[in-house]
Parts: sequence; structure tokens; C-alpha cells
Amino acid sequence: DVKVTQSSRYLVKRTGEKVFLECVQDMDHENMFWYRQDPGLGLRLIYFSYDVKMKEKGDIPEGYSVSREKKERFSLILESASTNQTSMYLCASSLTGGNSPLHFGNGTRLTVT
Amino acid sequence: RKEVEQDPGPFNVPEGATVAFNCTYSNSASQSFFWYRQDCRKEPKLLMSVYSSGNEDGRFTAQLNRASQYISLLIRDSKLSDSATYLCVVNHHSNYQLIWGAGTKLIIKP
Repeated sequence: DVKVTQSSRYLVKRTGEKVFLECVQDMDHENMFWYRQDPGLGLRLIYFSYDVKMKEKGDIPEGYSVSREKKERFSLILESASTNQTSMYLCASSLTGGNSPLHFGNGTRLTVT
Repeated sequence: RKEVEQDPGPFNVPEGATVAFNCTYSNSASQSFFWYRQDCRKEPKLLMSVYSSGNEDGRFTAQLNRASQYISLLIRDSKLSDSATYLCVVNHHSNYQLIWGAGTKLIIKP
């Protein structure tokens, strides 16, 4: 069974802090994704990566960056946290190609005060 | 207009009933379609892919109507454990950018 692990379930950070969200998958998947989920808006893609050291912007990359130094790990960085980045963050992975199902981590609920 | 639209619900349905909900998409070039299920405070999990000819998995049936640009999910003999939010997902470029609906909340009552 695919396991996608996010480092924190809940995080509380202050405005202006730099925040790191870590995600690790154990199934040798090529693709990894970072989404945020807000009520009434559905999942919105922040960044994705289809290979080590490769990254692509999603729909809402502003205020975020990512790092993929190893295949199994995909990190999301909030350079300077703001209150409008309070959200549920979901990491996912999938096999190569665009039609493979996504396997999600259990999410990180980030609150920025 | 949103690219993928779902009725947010909630749909309140008695146990054992049949329930169906639809999801409309705006891009006629959409190529692949999925239903995910998300329990409260949990991550989404794939329920089923939706194939052109329609497909069934136990009590669940998914249909695609390309002419009218919607997909549907039918749940027969609903169980209390079916209570969840059902997310519709569309991929229209065969790349990595899935478009997610905001979900339909289903509540099965005893």
C-alpha cells in the first residue's frame, strides 16, 4: 500500500515566519504534488514535480516555493507566512503520466496568526 | 463559471436508499475523470475512475455523458459508512493538472 507521510498534522506559525512542510512517499512515484484545500474552493494545486529537481507551478504558486532533492521527498516552503495561507495542505504522489490516481498524505492544518 | 462544478449538498439520505449526484465540467477536451471520497478531516482517496462506457464497482456506478459534459455517481443500498464528501476530478490535458470540484457532501441517516 502506498504511504505518503506529511511531517506535521497541525502547525501554528506567526506572520512572517518561514515555514517548511515536508512530504515523503515510499512507492518510488515520479510525480509529487502540493495542494491546499479551503472550504468551498476545492483542492488547488500549488506546485508539482515530475522528477527529482524538477518543479512546475500550479494554479496558486505565489508565496510558496518547493524543493525536490530526492525522489521520495517533496518540500513546500512558505517564504514569509501570511494569514491568508492558513489552510489545509495536502501532499500527494502518483506514478508517471497524467492519468494515474493520486495518493494523499493525511494533511497538515496550518494556522498563521 | 467554475471548470468543475458540483452541488455542495448536503444530501441527506436514509440508509438503504439510492442516491445520485452529478458533476459538470466546462472543457469539452477533458480526457479523464475520477471520483474521490473524502471523510471529515481526512485526505481524499480514489473511489473510482470514470470510463466512457460507464463502470460499476459493487454498489457504486459511475457514468460519463460527454455530450452534456457531466459525470455522475450512483450509490445503491446506501450505508452509514458512505457518509462523506465526494469529489469530482477532471483532467483535460493529460498532464498533471487535475481540476477538482469542491465536493458534494453526503449524509446517510439511520
